[in-house]
Amino acid sequence: GQQVMQIPQYQHVQEGEDFTTYCNSSTTLSNIQWYKQRPGGHPVFLIQLVKSGEVKKQKRLTFQFGEAKKNSSLHITATQTTDVGTYFCAGPGTYKYIFGTGTRLKVLA
Amino acid sequence: NAGVTQTPKFRVLKTGQSMTLLCAQDMNHEYMYWYRQDPGMGLRLIHYSVGEGTTAKGEVPDGYNVSRLKKQNFLLGLESAAPSQTSVYFCASSYRGLFSGEQFFGPGTRLTVL
Repeated sequence: GQQVMQIPQYQHVQEGEDFTTYCNSSTTLSNIQWYKQRPGGHPVFLIQLVKSGEVKKQKRLTFQFGEAKKNSSLHITATQTTDVGTYFCAGPGTYKYIFGTGTRLKVLA
Repeated sequence: NAGVTQTPKFRVLKTGQSMTLLCAQDMNHEYMYWYRQDPGMGLRLIHYSVGEGTTAKGEVPDGYNVSRLKKQNFLLGLESAAPSQTSVYFCASSYRGLFSGEQFFGPGTRLTVL
């Protein structure tokens, strides 16, 4: 069946370092979404990408959608302690949204 | 706007007991979803609804039932709870379309089945 894989599973960085998480789908996606979940919290929508090769920026966050629409990445420049949490990608599958397993980011001050 | 609310926040059940989780949204969204989140497995869709009076199965529907009698409410029922249903349950809603557009999540219900 359709799968959405994310790597890495965990990432520990020093505050100020950059961070990247990658999302790979086994099938072509019509769109891809990114969510952030703080420890003990609920997923919060960050962005949706729709076009092949699309790049969107939100302050220190840069999101990319691959040319083949099968992969995506989230890059955070100069991480801060407020970036701590788990980042999920999600893509539409047959009658469902498929969430990746997430990348848990820990930022060391 | 309260957004998406869920009750209860926590619950402990014994095997075989039943319960209903309530999700309410005040954003007039057509689409609503129930997910479960287990460690290391991301979010998995249990059931969803495209409007009042309609429901459909998601990825992991077994052992759960749902109802959407009113547009703003989406209920998730466990008929006979099992330890495998220990999880965090999230409700979500969206307005743009089924599986498209931002999903707004509730704060979650942490359920433990002993």
